[in-house]
Amino acid sequence: EAQVTQNPRYLITVTGKKLTVTCSQNMNHEYMSWYRQDPGLGLRQIYYSMNVEVTDKGDVPEGYKVSRKEKRNFPLILESPSPNQTSLYFCASLEGGVAGGQNTGELFFGEGSRLTVL
Amino acid sequence: GENVEQHPSTLSVQEGDSAVIKCTYSDSASNYFPWYKQELGKRPQLIIDIRSNVGEKKDQRIAVTLNKTAKHFSLHITETQPEDSAVYFCAAPSGSARQLTFGSGTQLTVLP
Repeated sequence: EAQVTQNPRYLITVTGKKLTVTCSQNMNHEYMSWYRQDPGLGLRQIYYSMNVEVTDKGDVPEGYKVSRKEKRNFPLILESPSPNQTSLYFCASLEGGVAGGQNTGELFFGEGSRLTVL
Repeated sequence: GENVEQHPSTLSVQEGDSAVIKCTYSDSASNYFPWYKQELGKRPQLIIDIRSNVGEKKDQRIAVTLNKTAKHFSLHITETQPEDSAVYFCAAPSGSARQLTFGSGTQLTVLP
């Protein structure tokens, strides 16, 4: 079954305690991305990766790191979490291509990871 | 980068009525406009998309229209049903990078 898997699904942590949210896809997609969802703000892109070892900042990258050492995995790292990073996080991979330098096609989202930083 | 504005933020309709959600975008180079539906507690899922070389696309009860001159696109749902209740997001790509910017979402409630 084609899927994007995130872990953990729920996490409560404290300020400053490093954490990693894992993301794995089994569809051999080149493009992967992380979003955070907050009420009234929609889905905001944190980081994206066009392929292995290629990552770029999205609209809200501060306080986050990512890596793309393998095609299937794209972990999100919070080195020193703060309460303003309390949010619902989604990983996604893209099935589709590029037209005119822009992504086209369907984003497959994981089930989401709800993070609370106290 | 791209700026996507979505209206309204909430929308209630009676079952059987139509619903329309509108989005505007800022980057005239954008050429692909998807719509995602997110049911309560679930992940967003693509329901329909349109490319800039067409003005309208339909899929059963849902349709999307695009006005490139005015830089806006709309989602139309006809004969609404309770299962249409969800949050709907529009999105548009940045013209210079492989990013996708989402609107702030519309909570659609279909009243029985």
